[in-house]
Amino acid sequence: EAGVAQSPRYKIIEKRQSVAFWCNPISGHATLYWYQQILGQGPKLLIQFQNNGVVDDSQLPKDRFSAERLKGVDSTLKIQPAKLEDSAVYLCASSFGVAGGPGEQFFGPGTRLTVL
Amino acid sequence: KQEVTQIPAALSVPEGENLVLNCSFTDSAIYNLQWFRQDPGKGLTSLLLIQSSQREQTSGRLNASLDKSSGRSTLYIAASQPGDSATYLCAIQWRSSNTGKLIFGQGTTLQVKP
Repeated sequence: EAGVAQSPRYKIIEKRQSVAFWCNPISGHATLYWYQQILGQGPKLLIQFQNNGVVDDSQLPKDRFSAERLKGVDSTLKIQPAKLEDSAVYLCASSFGVAGGPGEQFFGPGTRLTVL
Repeated sequence: KQEVTQIPAALSVPEGENLVLNCSFTDSAIYNLQWFRQDPGKGLTSLLLIQSSQREQTSGRLNASLDKSSGRSTLYIAASQPGDSATYLCAIQWRSSNTGKLIFGQGTTLQVKP
């Protein structure tokens, strides 16, 4: 079974530039999560989708971050414009369970973003 | 507020030693608790998942326990090896969450010296 795929693995940009990350979850997983992990901290949820609908985006800085999962499979996370404090690892995870219910989450390799 | 705490932040042990990593949490009404491993620059690898109704889970040299009444979980690593060096993260899915999101601790960075 293929795992969660993410690209790119690394990205370096200047502040105020834009950047996009891509995630392909495990086949059949309805729920997709984007987490942000700042160096030295545990991951924190940015946004959660069930199929192509947003379940929770309460921690997403909506003035600069956006995300979509148009066909209920792949997802993209965009930052525009980037700030220095956006430097972090962006992790995508998926689970078979429905939102609000229990379910093991499987994580991709992450995208390490450095904003200069 | 639902929080997960891992102490210590870092741990260094000689090869072969048995060790325990600690995770404490507020609010015992959980669905499950997961232990993850993270190597530098990599994503998260799930090690063990303990359901709310379970007391422990084992996989190879790893054993995780759960005590909801005291709000604690431990990850026991037997006969540690240099390849065990990594950051270990504890995460919880709480029942009160309407999303099922994971709340993570800050992690414990383990170094096993040859």
